[in-house]
Amino acid sequence: DAGVIQSPRHEVTEMGQEVTLRCKPISGHNSLFWYRQTMMRGLELLIYFNNNVPIDDSGMPEDRFSAKMPNASFSTLKIQPSEPRDSAVYFCASSPDRGGRVETQYFGPGTRLLVL
Amino acid sequence: AQKITQTQPGMFVQEKEAVTLDCTYDTSDPSYGLFWYKQPSSGEMIFLIYQGSYDQQNATEGRYSLNFQKARKSANLVISASQLGDSAMYFCAMRGNTGRRALTFGSGTRLQVQP
Repeated sequence: DAGVIQSPRHEVTEMGQEVTLRCKPISGHNSLFWYRQTMMRGLELLIYFNNNVPIDDSGMPEDRFSAKMPNASFSTLKIQPSEPRDSAVYFCASSPDRGGRVETQYFGPGTRLLVL
Repeated sequence: AQKITQTQPGMFVQEKEAVTLDCTYDTSDPSYGLFWYKQPSSGEMIFLIYQGSYDQQNATEGRYSLNFQKARKSANLVISASQLGDSAMYFCAMRGNTGRRALTFGSGTRLQVQP
């Protein structure tokens, strides 16, 4: 079975440019999470979707960040305009949440973003 | 609110020996899960082991076992017979069954296995 797929794996861009990160969750998983990992803050949640609906976006830093999940097999995280402080590794994760049981989240390989 | 504490920034272990990585947690969720992930230098997050808060027995997965002590709110990872490939960052994490469903992570422990 294919795991969580993320693209691109690496992105280098200049300050002010728009960046779009993409994620395909594991088939059949109905929860999708975007996390960001930095040296200073560790791993932190940006946004969480359940059945394509955003449930918790409390971790989205500011209006420059937006995320969408138009269908069960695709999500995007967009940064516009990007700033050097956005440089981080962005992970997408998915889990088969059906209620009742706490399910495991499986992570994609991450997108390493560098904003110059 | 949920909180994960990993007090060991770095650990060394000799190859073939066992090592315990510490994790304590705090939550108000009555039902929750505890997880350990491995992050090698290549950067991916690899799921290792899961323990449910109502599971009666400690979880085991091959060389990994989770020493779950609910009353003490600890969920230590034990790696038996360490291998050089076990050198990596290890993160303890938890998520609840109600309210916040996202993972809350600890700060991680960097394990180095020496030959």
